[in-house]
Amino acid sequence: EPEVTQTPSHQVTQMGQEVILRCVPISNHLYFYWYRQILGQKVEFLVSFYNNEISEKSEIFDDQFSVERPDGSNFTLKIRSTKLEDSAMYFCASRWTAVVLNTEAFFGQGTRLTVV
Amino acid sequence: RKEVEQDPGPFNVPEGATVAFNCTYSNSASQSFFWYRQDCRKEPKLLMSVYSSGNEDGRFTAQLNRASQYISLLIRDSKLSDSATYLCVVSASNSGYALNFGKGTSLLVTP
Repeated sequence: EPEVTQTPSHQVTQMGQEVILRCVPISNHLYFYWYRQILGQKVEFLVSFYNNEISEKSEIFDDQFSVERPDGSNFTLKIRSTKLEDSAMYFCASRWTAVVLNTEAFFGQGTRLTVV
Repeated sequence: RKEVEQDPGPFNVPEGATVAFNCTYSNSASQSFFWYRQDCRKEPKLLMSVYSSGNEDGRFTAQLNRASQYISLLIRDSKLSDSATYLCVVSASNSGYALNFGKGTSLLVTP
């Protein structure tokens, strides 16, 4: 069964360092998302990406964050200068479409980011 | 960002019990509705989509009331394996079709 894969599964980084979280969405999907979940809290939307551009972003997704789909396969989230409060589980998700109602989004297993 | 509100939980029920979860959403332009399930420290996984006419999948029944902006999930004959957090999720075109999650309701089914 096709799946969304994320690497690494766990990343520890020092405050102020840049991190890149990687995702390989399901191959025929067109809509891509990043979410984060701080321990014990809700799953929060960060950004959606379609047709090689950001289609929507939340207030969390400030100038420290960026996304890229560099090669038609990978979908990356970069955090330029990490803060302690960036520590969370980051989930990548993909859907083959969003305009057809009730289309399932498939989530990767997540990257646990710990900023120390 | 428009909100999705869920029962605070947790729900502790014995095996075989019937349990119901409720959810309300504030974005009247919402078009797609889901219940996802999340096990501890795992990714959300789709349990079922929710259709206007209501729909059933085995022991699970979902209902949608667009006028009240209310979604429900009913689990009959609870199993130990149903223990998880149940996430109400809504998507709307006026928010870029992003999935907007509720905080989730925790269910623990006990022997």
